[in-house]
Amino acid sequence: EVQLVESGGGLIQPGGSLRLSCAASGFTISSDYMGWVRQAPGKGLECVSVIYSGGNTYYADSVKGRFTISRDSSKNTLYLQMNSLRAEDTAVYFCARALYYFDYWGQGTLVFVSS
Amino acid sequence: DIQMTQSPSSVSASVGDTVTLTCRASQDISSSLAWYQQKPGKAPELLIYAATNLQSGVPSRFSGSGSGTDFTLTISSLQPEDFATYFCQQADSFPWTFGQGTKVEIK
Repeated sequence: EVQLVESGGGLIQPGGSLRLSCAASGFTISSDYMGWVRQAPGKGLECVSVIYSGGNTYYADSVKGRFTISRDSSKNTLYLQMNSLRAEDTAVYFCARALYYFDYWGQGTLVFVSS
Repeated sequence: DIQMTQSPSSVSASVGDTVTLTCRASQDISSSLAWYQQKPGKAPELLIYAATNLQSGVPSRFSGSGSGTDFTLTISSLQPEDFATYFCQQADSFPWTFGQGTKVEIK
């Protein structure tokens, strides 16, 4: 059974850093595309970053230069390092398997950026 | 970026009704479109991929159609568990973008 479990969210001051983790089971993350999708409170969905099976990465313009996606194949875990956080980064962050379409999602972790 | 526009933003319907939701892309995306259902406090769930393909485990009352720039999601014989928000997503080119959502509410 495919399962994705995010962790690492919380309250952080503007300018701070957080690292989100997404532990996967039931499949091998390095064999697939994996992505992070966020949803601001009461808002729609935004794909912020994707890592290809080959290791190439993509970032939305809104996070480029501040966020870094990575994976640890030995732990079958996806990460999102978030630096220079802003109030507008406040959202629930979901990790998802991304075979062009997001077919499996985690439960999400809330990142709240506020002073 | 490809803009995805959904209409209507909300629709009221009764159990047993058929509802049709629309998604329009700002440029031709061929059939690179997915539909998701999201309930409050939950992650989205994939319903339809490649515009017309039903994801495994999704009831057959959900169907998708369209290609190019205009797409529809039809829910036949609406069930109580179908009241939710529905999003479309294009996967033709990065950045993959979502529509703003259509909320299906109980009349």
